[in-house]
Amino acid sequence: AQSVTQPDIHITVSEGASLELRCNYSYGATPYLFWYVQSPGQGLQLLLKYFSGDTLVQGIKGFEAEFKRSQSSFNLRKPSVHWSDAAEYFCAVGEHTGNQFYFGTGTSLTVIP
Amino acid sequence: DVKVTQSSRYLVKRTGEKVFLECVQDMDHENMFWYRQDPGLGLRLIYFSYDVKMKEKGDIPEGYSVSREKKERFSLILESASTNQTSMYLCASSPETSGYFNEQFFGPGTRLTVL
Repeated sequence: AQSVTQPDIHITVSEGASLELRCNYSYGATPYLFWYVQSPGQGLQLLLKYFSGDTLVQGIKGFEAEFKRSQSSFNLRKPSVHWSDAAEYFCAVGEHTGNQFYFGTGTSLTVIP
Repeated sequence: DVKVTQSSRYLVKRTGEKVFLECVQDMDHENMFWYRQDPGLGLRLIYFSYDVKMKEKGDIPEGYSVSREKKERFSLILESASTNQTSMYLCASSPETSGYFNEQFFGPGTRLTVL
């Protein structure tokens, strides 16, 4: 069965520091991969997605993610974090044979001045 | 602009009440989804629908039912609310494009408290 693991429940970074959020998946074929962000009290907004092709994908708000098949990973990165990036981040994998997503449990990001 | 709306942002109900959560999308999407979100558990799929009057169970359908009479509207029903259904409920929609997996668009969520 498909599964998504986000090993870090909570991360704290200083404003201006770099960020990497980890995501590992379990899926038989090449997956469809997504990162969503949820600001407090809000729904989820898509940051970026990977379907095929270039394994480094660029998203909104200066985020990028790299698909590494050998490690079954799709880690999210940002070179310089802003206070407004404080939110909850979800990694998700979509299956080829349907429209169902499988979400990780999320990583909560705190940004300190 | 893409939009998914949910009828209430906050809802407080009593144990045993019948609860309706409404979701409307204006993007003419075929697929619609209901999730619940709980701390430490992420998002879990309750039900989804890929067409009018069609529904499929997700991972945690027990205690819930759904209705999709019109393409743009997908309702989640708690027949007899219980305290363990206190949660954040998120609705999402996505288009159906043959051979292509599409992202889901989310509503703002309804925080339901069952007393």
